[in-house]
Amino acid sequence: EVQLLDSGGGLVQPGGSLRLSCAASGFSFESYVMSWVRQAPGRGLEWVSSITRTETTYYADSVKGRFTISRDNAKNMLFLQMNSLRADDTAVYYCAKSVTLEIDHWGQGTLVTVSS
Amino acid sequence: DIQMTQSPSTLSASVGDRVTITCRASQSISSWLAWYQQKPGKAPKLLIYKASNLESGVPSRFSGSESGTEFTLTISSLQPDDFATYYCQHYHNYPWTFGQGTKVEMK
Repeated sequence: EVQLLDSGGGLVQPGGSLRLSCAASGFSFESYVMSWVRQAPGRGLEWVSSITRTETTYYADSVKGRFTISRDNAKNMLFLQMNSLRADDTAVYYCAKSVTLEIDHWGQGTLVTVSS
Repeated sequence: DIQMTQSPSTLSASVGDRVTITCRASQSISSWLAWYQQKPGKAPKLLIYKASNLESGVPSRFSGSESGTEFTLTISSLQPDDFATYYCQHYHNYPWTFGQGTKVEMK
């Protein structure tokens, strides 16, 4: 059974940093594109970043230069390093696995709150 | 960037109704479109991929179709479990974008 366990969210001040983690199990982690998708309170879904099997990375313009996605295939872990956080980064962040490229499995989400 | 325009934003319907949600892409995305269902406090769930392919385990009352850059999700006979918010998403290239969402509520 595919499982994605997101963690690392919390309350952080504007300008601060946070590192999200996603522990994957139940599939060949190294073979799939992995992504982060976020959802601000009461709002829709927003793609944040993806990393391919060959570790090519892609970012939404809203986070480019501030966020860094990475993966550790040996440990089946996905990460999102978030720096220079702003109030509009407040959201539930979901770890997501793609099969072809559509997202077929999602983590449970971890809440990031940026506030002073 | 490719924009996805989803309509309506809210839809009021009754059990047994046929429901249609539309998503229009700002340019060609071939068939690289997915539909997701999300319930409050839960992660989204994949319903349809590559515009018209039903994800394993999803009831057959859900279907997807396309005509050019217009994509449609249809629920043939709405069931109580289907009251939720639905999103389209293109994955033709990066950045991926989602539609604004359609909340299906009880009439």
